[in-house]
Amino acid sequence: GQNIDQPTEMTATEGAIVQINCTYQTSGFNGLFWYQQHAGEAPTFLSYNVLDGLEEKGRFSSFLSRSKGYSYLLLKELQMKDSASYLCAVRDRVDSSYKLIFGSGTRLLVRP
Amino acid sequence: DTGVSQNPRHKITKRGQNVTFRCDPISEHNRLYWYRQTLGQGPEFLTYFQNEAQLEKSRLLSDRFSAERPKGSFSTLEIQRTEQGDSAMYLCASSSFTLNSGNTIYFGEGSWLTVV
Repeated sequence: GQNIDQPTEMTATEGAIVQINCTYQTSGFNGLFWYQQHAGEAPTFLSYNVLDGLEEKGRFSSFLSRSKGYSYLLLKELQMKDSASYLCAVRDRVDSSYKLIFGSGTRLLVRP
Repeated sequence: DTGVSQNPRHKITKRGQNVTFRCDPISEHNRLYWYRQTLGQGPEFLTYFQNEAQLEKSRLLSDRFSAERPKGSFSTLEIQRTEQGDSAMYLCASSSFTLNSGNTIYFGEGSWLTVV
């Protein structure tokens, strides 16, 4: 089976840095994805990690440790528009469909 | 690249009626997925197509749900005899494998269903 855990809610201040953690358990592993979802809208792709380490993409970075079953999404220089839900998703190595299994999401509120 | 397109965007229906949603994936993508999402939850996998073949269905997909992708391009998701518990956002997504993206899945804007 698969299990993905992430905090339900976080609050941060505009201009600050926030780290959203995700832990997972899968029978196999073939990639971890982060998506951003604004209220009432579809998830949009942010990042993809399949090897250990940090992937940086502008203000957003994502880290993966496969041995620990752990990832985090780091958001720097927070802006009000970053208020959204952040979804962690994993893909199982043995799954030929390449489907993603999602966590429940972390709702981030950025305050002025 | 017009992205994944879904319609209708919103549907309100009476309990017991049938509804159908359409998805047009990104044109070169051979994989197509349907997910369902309720408030405060992440998307839940419903079914998967590779080209026109439906290769996987979740246990969430009861007999009242049927999905097709007749020519390997657009897909439809039909819900028969809708129940209030079917109220959710139905998300379509598509993907195609590349070395850089690792089969990243891209979502459409979703179709909101409200069953009254």
